[in-house]
Amino acid sequence: GENVEQHPSTLSVQEGDSAVIKCTYSDSASNYFPWYKQELGKGPQLIIDIRSNVGEKKDQRIAVTLNKTAKHFSLHITETQPEDSAVYFCAASIRQGAQKLVFGQGTRLTINP
Amino acid sequence: DAGITQSPRHKVTETGTPVTLRCHQTENHRYMYWYRQDPGHGLRLIHYSYGVKDTDKGEVSDGYSVSRSKTEDFLLTLESATSSQTSVYFCAISEAQMNTEAFFGQGTRLTVV
Repeated sequence: GENVEQHPSTLSVQEGDSAVIKCTYSDSASNYFPWYKQELGKGPQLIIDIRSNVGEKKDQRIAVTLNKTAKHFSLHITETQPEDSAVYFCAASIRQGAQKLVFGQGTRLTINP
Repeated sequence: DAGITQSPRHKVTETGTPVTLRCHQTENHRYMYWYRQDPGHGLRLIHYSYGVKDTDKGEVSDGYSVSRSKTEDFLLTLESATSSQTSVYFCAISEAQMNTEAFFGQGTRLTVV
């Protein structure tokens, strides 16, 4: 079936440095790529998303880039802060009947003070 | 936070017993989803609903059934729980198909002993 690969599974960075998480997808028809942040004991929450007609999107310290030819997309967090520590999930849309999301395996990001 | 309530939040049950998890929303969103979250697997779709009495299978539907008799309620039933169904279960809702923001509940931690 369709799948999304996410790397790395864990990432540790110093406060103030940048963090990058990468995902690849297999379905060339995918057209929606959201990123979710999950804090301990909570459900995932959307932090940014991008559609296939756009190559890059920014929202303050967070940016997402998309390379449709290579079928990969990345999350970039700049000037990291302790509250950025969480598990991050990428996802890609697939159409099997109704449109659905396939999630990556998750990245545990730790910001070291 | 989107109005999504999952119940129970925690449950321990014995192998072979039936279990029903409830998802209740106050957003009047058409689409509802059940995911399970396991280490190394991210979030995997179990079943989803695209309207009252309209449901379909996801990628890991074996051993699970769902029902949606009202817009606001989506029930997930494990007919005969097995230890492999020990997981954290998340309900999600979206206004349109999965190319718009999905909102997740707080999760239900289910342990099958």
